[in-house]
Amino acid sequence: EAGVAQSPRYKIIEKRQSVAFWCNPISGHATLYWYQQILGQGPKLLIQFQNNGVVDDSQLPKDRFSAERLKGVDSTLKIQPAKLEDSAVYLCASSLTHRPGQGMAGELFFGEGSRLTVL
Amino acid sequence: DAKTTQPNSMESNEEEPVHLPCNHSTISGTDYIHWYRQLPSQGPEYVIHGLTSNVNNRMASLAIAEDRKSSTLILHRATLRDAAVYYCILRDVGLNDYGGSQGNLIFGKGTKLSVKP
Repeated sequence: EAGVAQSPRYKIIEKRQSVAFWCNPISGHATLYWYQQILGQGPKLLIQFQNNGVVDDSQLPKDRFSAERLKGVDSTLKIQPAKLEDSAVYLCASSLTHRPGQGMAGELFFGEGSRLTVL
Repeated sequence: DAKTTQPNSMESNEEEPVHLPCNHSTISGTDYIHWYRQLPSQGPEYVIHGLTSNVNNRMASLAIAEDRKSSTLILHRATLRDAAVYYCILRDVGLNDYGGSQGNLIFGKGTKLSVKP
């Protein structure tokens, strides 16, 4: 089974430039997440989609970050304009619904991430 | 969401058992205890989860205290490939308005496990 695909793996840009990351989740996974992981910290949730609807984007800096999941499959995360503090790894994850009564853990499957360096 | 407390780092010798502790004194009745680990330069991966009873799978065991205020992830025989950051996370069992999982995974700093040959 193919895992979560992300691209690009690495990106270096200068501050005030824009960047976009792409994610293709595991087939059939309705829930998609974008996390930001700054060096030395745990991942921080930016946005959660359920199909093509946004469930939680409370931690997304909406003045510069945007995300979409058209057709409820692939997703893109955009940063415009980038700041130095946006340097991080951007992780995409997908999952089935957590239904413990049906033996479904709803575990998240993460991609390898996209490492962004802002100079 | 309820918080968890873990030691920053732990060391283990190869082929010895490892017990990774986690405190979650404010856990609610609908919170499941999940463990994920993150190998170097990779995304996190699911390890195990439980509610009240101890759980075993091919990767690890999860021991949950009777009052559910703490838990321990047990790696029975550590290998060099188990060197990673281990995250203990509480996740609400409820469903959101979209019929999906309500609880998001909120990661702390986790425990960095080093395994010595």
